[in-house]
Amino acid sequence: DAGVIQSPRHEVTEMGQEVTLRCKPISGHDYLFWYRQTMMRGLELLIYFNNNVPIDDSGMPEDRFSAKMPNASFSTLKIQPSEPRDSAVYFCASSSSTSNEQFFGPGTRLTVL
Amino acid sequence: KQEVTQIPAALSVPEGENLVLNCSFTDSAIYNLQWFRQDPGKGLTSLLLIQSSQREQTSGRLNASLDKSSGRSTLYIAASQPGDSATYLCARTNYGGSQGNLIFGKGTKLSVKP
Repeated sequence: DAGVIQSPRHEVTEMGQEVTLRCKPISGHDYLFWYRQTMMRGLELLIYFNNNVPIDDSGMPEDRFSAKMPNASFSTLKIQPSEPRDSAVYFCASSSSTSNEQFFGPGTRLTVL
Repeated sequence: KQEVTQIPAALSVPEGENLVLNCSFTDSAIYNLQWFRQDPGKGLTSLLLIQSSQREQTSGRLNASLDKSSGRSTLYIAASQPGDSATYLCARTNYGGSQGNLIFGKGTKLSVKP
């Protein structure tokens, strides 16, 4: 298995632009998580899905952030409009309900100018 | 507020030394405890997962233990090597669900000198 796949790996955009981050979880995993990592706050959960249904989105900072999971093999995290304070590394992770172990993708480094 | 604390924030040791990384959490309502490794500019690599009913897990030179009553977990690395240099993060999930939010510590940055 290729592991969790994220794209793009790096994204540089200007304030006010829309940003879409993509994730493909490990095949067969029924949980998908979006995290954000910054120097100040460390790693924080944004939202997670179970069987494509959002379960907990309490970590989503504000209405500018939205996430979807249209099928078991794809999820997106969208920021519209983006702001400089959104600059961070965004990680996607997946896990199986049979093992509870979360596996992380390589992350997307987002820079908003 | 549930918190995960890792002390020290940074650690430098000579090659070959055995070492212990510490992780503490504020309440005992913990379900799972997972240790990760993060190399600079990279994602997280899962090292060990201790499930709710377990007290420790071992993988090669790594051993992780979990003591819910004291609110502590330790990661023991035997015979450290320069390749072990990385940031080590511990994370917990909450009781009440087999999945869910991983709450992370800020990590311990380990440097193993040749």
